[in-house]
Amino acid sequence: SAVISQKPSRDICQRGTSLTIQCQVDSQVTMMFWYRQQPGQSLTLIATANQGSEATYESGFVIDKFPISRPNLTFSTLTVSNMSPEDSSIYLCSVAGTTNTEAFFGQGTRLTVV
Amino acid sequence: AQTVTQSQPEMSVQEAETVTLSCTYDTSESDYYLFWYKQPPSRQMILVIRQEAYKQQNATENRFSVNFQKAAKSFSLKISDSQLGDAAMYFCAYRSATGGYQKVTFGTGTKLQVIP
Repeated sequence: SAVISQKPSRDICQRGTSLTIQCQVDSQVTMMFWYRQQPGQSLTLIATANQGSEATYESGFVIDKFPISRPNLTFSTLTVSNMSPEDSSIYLCSVAGTTNTEAFFGQGTRLTVV
Repeated sequence: AQTVTQSQPEMSVQEAETVTLSCTYDTSESDYYLFWYKQPPSRQMILVIRQEAYKQQNATENRFSVNFQKAAKSFSLKISDSQLGDAAMYFCAYRSATGGYQKVTFGTGTKLQVIP
């Protein structure tokens, strides 16, 4: 299984500011995924990040709000821009396992916007 | 689009007893994977068990087993000999096995409480 490290683990931010979340994997992976989990809710996919190409965003999510970088096969960042209290969520990074079946997750970033 | 439904928002079980969490899904595909993930208060999503749709045999992992009914599109999780550490949110999830890696669709989750 992949070991995924996310930073920061939690943060409290002022509205109108931006936060960049980092995701580091201990092995090279083609696809990385960013999910949002709003309080008491399930996981919703924000976007899929492939190395060397633009991220693919799901319906309801746009690049201006959630820019993603994928500079290499072990690292990705998600930025939450111009934050509002509605952005308060857990954000999780995920990768596919080596057998390309199950997904593995980082420990998540708990974001609170005040 | 695929959907995953968990109709039990909360469940409780006495320590050492057995509990079954329900999950149904909707898909028109024949080849896919189903998962149960556990999310304790630490927020880490942990894979509990995986089932390939083409396999008729139900998956088992130690105290965890599934009842996979493909025709009924049902995928329940049975936890035997429940332990305090089993207390968590449990998410049922679906992923297509067609055309390379596909995104995972999650259910709404079931909060499991284990009573000492």
